[in-house]
Amino acid sequence: ILNVEQSPQSLHVQEGDSTNFTCSFPSSNFYALHWYRWETAKSPEALFVMTLNGDEKKKGRISATLNTKEGYSYLYIKGSQPEDSATYLCASAGGYQKVTFGTGTKLQVIP
Amino acid sequence: DTEVTQTPKHLVMGMTNKKSLKCEQHMGHRAMYWYKQKAKKPPELMFVYSYEKLSINESVPSRFSPECPNSSLLNLHLHALQPEDSALYLCASSQDLYGYTFGSGTRLTVV
Repeated sequence: ILNVEQSPQSLHVQEGDSTNFTCSFPSSNFYALHWYRWETAKSPEALFVMTLNGDEKKKGRISATLNTKEGYSYLYIKGSQPEDSATYLCASAGGYQKVTFGTGTKLQVIP
Repeated sequence: DTEVTQTPKHLVMGMTNKKSLKCEQHMGHRAMYWYKQKAKKPPELMFVYSYEKLSINESVPSRFSPECPNSSLLNLHLHALQPEDSALYLCASSQDLYGYTFGSGTRLTVV
């Protein structure tokens, strides 16, 4: 993998469903993996920064895991709520001040 | 103050105009960034300033001219832009590679 790739591009879930997205990144020269939540017309908001293989982070109903050897991270949302609707961006920091973003997963939670 | 403030939020300019985008942070972050985002694409790095010095220029055309007057301010001067330069311009700051704080962006339209 040469770039940061996210899947799916978009996702519609019912309120209360749990969901997850994938971020794939180059595993060589890896430094840190960021997850951001970006609501329309607002600033991207940092959710997690992970650096170590096997890292797991949790913030309320949202959690993330990291596998640096195979170059992927999962973001999980448990019991999705309408306010979770946003674009979720991941970014890989692979070198000095170089952070590469994925295209994002746009989540729509239907009440 | 934990915010990055960008002004203006929206800008429409002609191809012969000169305009500037402004970005301000008071978190003491040592690095500041300009990103450009086109629809359905990931944010693309344009410039990085570290300790008020330009450290990365991602081969950006000279019609974009960055300036960092002090550790809290970052400007992007625009001159003779093309319609394809229409995009969302995001400013961010960071203390290190452990996550960015973003502004809400300037939506630029070149006519």
